[in-house]
This record gives sequence, C-alpha cells and structure tokens, in this order.
Amino acid sequence: EVQLVESGGVVVQPGGSLRLSCAASGFTFDDYAMHWVRQAPGKGLEWVSLISWDGGSTYYADSVKGRFTISRDNSKNSLYLQMNSLRAEDTALYYCAKAHYGYLGYWGQGTLVTVSS
Amino acid sequence: QSALTQPASVSGSPGQSITISCTGTSSDVGGYNYVSWYQQHPGKAPKLMIYDVSNRPSGVSNRFSGSKSGNTASLTISGLQAEDEADYYCSSYTSSSTLFGTGTKVTVL
Repeated sequence: EVQLVESGGVVVQPGGSLRLSCAASGFTFDDYAMHWVRQAPGKGLEWVSLISWDGGSTYYADSVKGRFTISRDNSKNSLYLQMNSLRAEDTALYYCAKAHYGYLGYWGQGTLVTVSS
Repeated sequence: QSALTQPASVSGSPGQSITISCTGTSSDVGGYNYVSWYQQHPGKAPKLMIYDVSNRPSGVSNRFSGSKSGNTASLTISGLQAEDEADYYCSSYTSSSTLFGTGTKVTVL
C-alpha cells in the first residue's frame, strides 16, 4: 500500500525558513518523480514543485521560484521542500504526491504551514 | 501559470447526471492528453478520479467519466449519489509545470 507522510509544518514568522519532509513507503521510491502541492485555508489546490526520480530535474511554480528548493534522498525514501523567505501567502496545507506521467497518483494527508508574526 | 477555469458550483438531485467543465489553453488542456480530475471531501486529501482525459483508476466507480474537446475538458458524474458531494479539481500537464483548476463544489440536492 502506498503511503506518503508529510511532516515539518509549524508556525513560522514572515521571512523565516522551514524544511518539510515526506516519507514514502509501499512503492519503489526512486522509480518515480514527486510533487509538492499546497492548499491555502478554504482555497483551491496550487501546484508548487516537481522533482525527477533522480533529483536531476526540478520545476517550480512562479510564486515560489527562487525561495523554495525541492530535493530528495532516495536512500531514505524521502522528499523534502526547503522553504525560505516565507510570506503570509505561503500559509497552506502542503501535500506531497507520487507523480505518474501527467497526473498525481497518490497524495499524503498534508502538513500545515502557518506564516504569522 | 494561470489556473484552469472551472464553474464554482454545480448541483444535481440523486440519480441525475452532472458535468463539470475545465477550460484552459492550447498550451495546457488543448496541447496534451494529460488531463486528470481529483475529488476532495472536506478535511481529506485529494483522490485521483480520472487520468489521461478519460481513464479511471482501479476502484473508481464507472459513474465517473472524462472527456476533452479542444481546450476544454469535462468530468461527468452519472447516477449522482450523496457520497459524490465534494470539491472537484481538474489538472493539466504542461511542459514545465502542472496546473490545477479553480475547483468546483458539487452539491447533491
């Protein structure tokens, strides 16, 4: 059974930094690209970032480019999102998702990031 | 990277059919056969319902179907049931990102 468990979400001040983690199990992690997707309270889904199976290619939404960095450690079956220069508008539930070509096959339950002073 | 356009809400009575539209451009919906649909119940993670425009994952009811014409994709739910009440999001692959739709709240009357 595919399982994705996000962690690391906390309350952080504007301008601060945070690293989210996603622990994967139930599938061969290094066979798949992985996404981060976020959802602000009461709002819709917003794609954040994608990383290839080997970490060699990364993609970002314009809203986070230059501030967020996606990475992975295949030896630990883990996905990460380093978030710097956080803004109030980054407040959201952050999901990791298993990438299939053209769609997101499985989603975690999310971890909540709140940016507030 | 603009969101795909969906109606804010769609409603129907039990047993009826409803259709949710998802409008993009030739650079996303119209350019690839990689449109997917996700169902999200309150407080829950999104669940894949349709992928590659019209394919259903194992375990998804055949009451859910997808199609595409030009820059607009559609999700049809037939034989509407109370459990179908949820938010629905379309998504499209692009060459450099993934786009989501604005979301549609489905209400079963």
